Amino acid sequence: QVQLQESGPGLVKPSQTLSLTCTVSGASISSGGYFWSWIRQHPGKGLEWIGYIYESGDTYYSPSLKSRISISLDTSDNQFSLKLSSVTAADTAVYYCARERGEGIDYWGQGTQVTVSS
Amino acid sequence: QSVLTQPPSASGTPGQRVTISCSGSSSNIGGNTVNWYQQLPGMAPTLLIYSNDQRPSGVPDRFSGSKSGTSASLAISGLQSEDEANYYCASWDDGLNGPSVVFGGGTKLTVL
Repeated sequence: QVQLQESGPGLVKPSQTLSLTCTVSGASISSGGYFWSWIRQHPGKGLEWIGYIYESGDTYYSPSLKSRISISLDTSDNQFSLKLSSVTAADTAVYYCARERGEGIDYWGQGTQVTVSS
Repeated sequence: QSVLTQPPSASGTPGQRVTISCSGSSSNIGGNTVNWYQQLPGMAPTLLIYSNDQRPSGVPDRFSGSKSGTSASLAISGLQSEDEANYYCASWDDGLNGPSVVFGGGTKLTVL
């Protein structure tokens, strides 16, 4: 059974960098064909796809966040990570890591609440 | 403002059939398949329909999807109280910066 689990601080100060890690079990992030993704959901709002990383290391970032975002792979620990710099209150959201297989996201993490506040 | 357009709400009584629409453009729905997600309150979304009309194992056949041109629809027949949730459509988008996943704004389904 594939499982994804987000981890990281739930509170980040404005202007700092938000760092989250997704630990994958039951599947190897080195296996081909999947887009390891980050998605967020603002309070009471819809889903916003942030970006993905392919097993080759190729990445794609949302144009609206591209200047502040970085997604990386750690194949030795079977994890992938998100860094979002210069955060503001507008970055307060539930952050999900997920596995997009090209035909839909078949596995999601449970989500982690991140609040930006001083 | 979401790239894909969904009605913000829908409702029906138990046993009824309801449909939820999703409208896009040639760069997303028009040239790619559509997936639908169900998000129960306080939970992560789950895949409900993929590749326009395919159901993952475990999804009841009360749920069906279709696509025509740049629009797609999710239909739920024999509505049940446990279907009360938010529903999101999604598709790949062939943007100038590379392929990305775009979502609809979500439709809150209320079972009356």
